[in-house]
Amino acid sequence: EVQLVESGGTVVRPGGSLRLSCAASGFTFDDYGMSWVRQAPGKGLEWVSNINWNGGSTDYADSVKGRFTISRDNAKNSLYLQMNSLRAEDTALYHCARGRGSYPVYYFDYWGQGTLVTVSS
Amino acid sequence: EIVLTQSPGTLSLSPGERATLSCRASQSVSSSYLAWYQQKPGQAPRLLIYGASSRATGIPDRFSGSGSGTDFTLTISRLEPEDFAVYYCQQYGRSPAFGPGTKVDIK
Repeated sequence: EVQLVESGGTVVRPGGSLRLSCAASGFTFDDYGMSWVRQAPGKGLEWVSNINWNGGSTDYADSVKGRFTISRDNAKNSLYLQMNSLRAEDTALYHCARGRGSYPVYYFDYWGQGTLVTVSS
Repeated sequence: EIVLTQSPGTLSLSPGERATLSCRASQSVSSSYLAWYQQKPGQAPRLLIYGASSRATGIPDRFSGSGSGTDFTLTISRLEPEDFAVYYCQQYGRSPAFGPGTKVDIK
């Protein structure tokens, strides 16, 4: 069974940093690209970032470019999102998702339940 | 950047009725890179349709997708009680983007 479990979400002050993690199981992790998608409270879905199977290619939404960094450790079956210079508008539930297709063209066939990031003073 | 618009914002129907959800793109979506997701309160999104019309694994055949270019449709042929949820379309070319969603609620 495919499982994606996010962690690392917490309350952080504006301008602060945070690192999210996603532990993957039930599939061959390095066969797939991965992504982060976020959802502000009561709002819709917003794509954040993609990474290809070996971490050699990454892509970001304009809203996070230069502040967030996606990475992966295939030996640990883990995906990460380093978030710097956080703003109130980054407050959201952050989902990791498994990408299907060929980088950078991904749809998402499995999603984690998400980890909540709240940016507030 | 491709912007997606979904209509209607809310669709109020009864179980057994047919639901037709629209997703319109501001530019042509290349190679029909269009997906649909269902999301229920407190749950992660669930993939329904990819490639505009291909059903994902385990999705009942009452769900169907159609369209190309800038106009896409998700049809639920007969609503079951578990189908009342929010539905999002997503274009997955360069710079993926989601539509704002259509809520299907019980009339």
